Amino acid sequence: EVQLVESGGGLIKPGGSLRLSCAASGLTFSNAWMTWVRQAPGKGLEWVARIKSKPSGEEIDYAAPVKGRFTISKDDSEPTLYLQMNSLKTEDTAVYYCTTDRDSSLNSWGQGTLVTVSS
Amino acid sequence: QSVLTQPPSVSAAPGQKVTISCSGSSSNIGRNYVSWYQQLPGTAPKLLIYENYKRPSGIPDRFSGSKSGTSATLGITGLQTGDEADYYCATWDSSLTDPWVFGGGTKLTVL
Repeated sequence: EVQLVESGGGLIKPGGSLRLSCAASGLTFSNAWMTWVRQAPGKGLEWVARIKSKPSGEEIDYAAPVKGRFTISKDDSEPTLYLQMNSLKTEDTAVYYCTTDRDSSLNSWGQGTLVTVSS
Repeated sequence: QSVLTQPPSVSAAPGQKVTISCSGSSSNIGRNYVSWYQQLPGTAPKLLIYENYKRPSGIPDRFSGSKSGTSATLGITGLQTGDEADYYCATWDSSLTDPWVFGGGTKLTVL
């Protein structure tokens, strides 16, 4: 069974940085495409970033609101997915979920980690 | 404003059937698979339907999915109080830089 466990969320001031982690187990992580999805309080789901597997070229995509500020990466040896978030804004406040991206769907989800950007 | 359009809410009585629609365009639903997610209160979303109609193991056959043209539908039969949740559709969009687009979500109330 796939397990994804996020960590690293917290309260941070605008302009600050935070790194989220997602520890993965129960899957061949080196072959996995991984995605970050966020959900602002009381709002719907918003795709944030995706990283393909090394065999697929490790291609990376970002949503427009986070491009240039967020960096997604994965360490296949750990195996862990990361999201480095810089220049944080109040509108980045959300629960951040890591998910597997396979069979044209987001198959497995972590429990989420809350990021609050506030002064 | 979400790329995919869902009704904000639907409701039905226990034991009844409900459908949730998801409307898109030729660049997203029209040419890509649709998936559906259930988010129970206070929990993470869970995959319900993938590739338009397929159910992951463990998902009861009370849940069904279909797609026609640029719209998709989630059906739930034999409604239970435990089905009260937010439901989201999602797909790829070939015209945007974002690989994934979501519907705004539909809150299901089982009266």
